[in-house]
This record gives sequence, structure tokens and C-alpha cells, in this order.
Amino acid sequence: GQNIDQPTEMTATEGAIVQINCTYQTSGFNGLFWYQQHAGEAPTFLSYNVLDGLEEKGRFSSFLSRSKGYSYLLLKELQMKDSASYLCAVRDGIKAAGNKLTFGGGTRVLVKP
Amino acid sequence: DVKVTQSSRYLVKRTGEKVFLECVQDMDHENMFWYRQDPGLGLRLIYFSYDVKMKEKGDIPEGYSVSREKKERFSLILESASTNQTSMYLCASTRTGRNQPQHFGDGTRLSIL
Repeated sequence: GQNIDQPTEMTATEGAIVQINCTYQTSGFNGLFWYQQHAGEAPTFLSYNVLDGLEEKGRFSSFLSRSKGYSYLLLKELQMKDSASYLCAVRDGIKAAGNKLTFGGGTRVLVKP
Repeated sequence: DVKVTQSSRYLVKRTGEKVFLECVQDMDHENMFWYRQDPGLGLRLIYFSYDVKMKEKGDIPEGYSVSREKKERFSLILESASTNQTSMYLCASTRTGRNQPQHFGDGTRLSIL
């Protein structure tokens, strides 16, 4: 089975840094995705990690440790528009057909002025 | 850019009705998915399809069926709608390949009265 945990909510100040943690226990592993979802909108792809280490994309970075079943998404220089939910999703390594993902419950980030 | 289009943004139906939700993607993706999203529960996979006429159950298939007669179209069917199927329904598609992200439609907010 799959179990993915992330905090429900986080609050941070504009210009600051926020780190959203995601831990997973899965029957297989074939990559981890982070998505951003603004209220009332579709999730949009942010990052993908399959090897250990840090992937940087502008203000957003994502880290993976496969041995610890742990990932984080780092948001730097926070802007008001970063207020959204952030979804962690793991790709099943057991059954590769279909690119099936299992999602965590999402972390709602509120950026305050 | 990938475009995933869901037929309705908002839909209101009555208990016992047969409900069809349609999803079309324009990027020739092999894989398509139907999720529901509920507060506190995150995205849960209902069904997915990795090829025309192929379908597999996700985590919560009860009360739903799907149809994939053409590669670009994936339909979700509520055979006899019930109030506990009131939810946001999201369709997604992806190309096969482990680093390929899922692309989401804007969602259908379905209310069953």
C-alpha cells in the first residue's frame, strides 16, 4: 500500500522561505512529483525527483532522500501569489503501466504581507 | 501546451440519475486518469486507462465506471448518482515515461441533490 504524509497547513511571510516536508511509505518507488494548486484551479506540475539530491528551478527547489522516504519542497523569496496548496505525489514502482500516482493530502501555504 | 478539457465546470444532478463526465486531451497521451478531490482527503484515484479500451481500477472505483473508446477521450460514468458522490472531479493525462508529469483539466464541481 501507499502512505504519503505532509502537513495540512503552513503560514509564512512575504519574502521569507518555507519548506514543505513529505514522507512516504510505498510498496515501490519510481519518482516523486510536486504540484501547485491554487484555489478552484487545476494542479500544475512543479518538479520531479527520482534520484537522491536537490533539484533547483528558480525560486523553487525539491529534495529527495529515497533511503529515508523523504522529500521537501523549498519555496524561496515568497510572493503573495505563492499562496496555494502544494501536493506531493509518488509514482508506483511496482506497476509502471499508466504512470499511476498516489497523492498526499496537500499542504495549504498562506503567505502574509 | 497540453490541453485537458473537461466538459462542464459545474454540474448539478439528482440522486439516482446516470451522470457522464467527459474529458478530452489534445496531446496524444496514452494514459488518462479520473480523480475526485475532497477537503481533507486530497486527490483520490477512481479509474485510469493506459490505452484505448483499457481500464484499471484505482483506489475508490465503487459506484463509478469509465469508457475509453478513443485515445483522446476518457469518460467517467456515475451509474446511479448518490449524495456522497458530490465532489470535485479532476481528469488528467500523461505520456508514458517515468518522468512525465500528469496534466490536469480545470475540474468539474458536481453536486448531487
